[in-house]
Amino acid sequence: QQQVKQSPQSLIVQKGGISIINCAYENTAFDYFPWYQQFPGKGPALLIAIRPDVSEKKEGRFTISFNKSAKQFSLHIMDSQPGDSATYFCAASTLETSGSRLTFGEGTQLTVNP
Amino acid sequence: GAVVSQHPSWVICKSGTSVKIECRSLDFQATTMFWYRQFPKQSLMLMATSNEGSKATYEQGVEKDKFLINHASLTLSTLTVTSAHPEDSSFYICSARGQGYYGYTFGSGTRLTVV
Repeated sequence: QQQVKQSPQSLIVQKGGISIINCAYENTAFDYFPWYQQFPGKGPALLIAIRPDVSEKKEGRFTISFNKSAKQFSLHIMDSQPGDSATYFCAASTLETSGSRLTFGEGTQLTVNP
Repeated sequence: GAVVSQHPSWVICKSGTSVKIECRSLDFQATTMFWYRQFPKQSLMLMATSNEGSKATYEQGVEKDKFLINHASLTLSTLTVTSAHPEDSSFYICSARGQGYYGYTFGSGTRLTVV
């Protein structure tokens, strides 16, 4: 019940296209859903995050869509650029619970071709 | 805000020696710190969670005597890999949470190579 399933495992997109990565969770107690971007040899960096009280959050070219009833959330990268090529991880957490921790998805290797 | 500094970024050590990795929260008090291990092309695997002033809680299968974690202050946690062996070679990443900030901030990671 702690798992977060992420798909696809890898994604190739042309420059200017839309990249879409999906995640599904089972634990309804999760109340914080961040997306992280990781470049080779670096730690994950927070890209964007959403709480379950909203269905969508947009920051620049990055949008999270959240479907509470389906227990799914997705990351959309508009106008994808070669510099967006990285590994993306979705995650989930129960923020207010003592001892909470992040549960990560398996990761998506995004390649944006010029 | 919410910056975590991790050092060193890479280290090579001889088999049988110990290596210490430091994780510092620079602009907030880290009440909880997390240590992860990441293998190539895989997700992050949580090794242990530590609260300031308390003993670390290790995940199942993680040897607490091999991976010593100290969280003695609100800004510093250390991971010591004792008697390192080649199979301990990996990418180690720390993360921190603080009071009044509900996110998780990650360090830049440490590439450990044991030869």
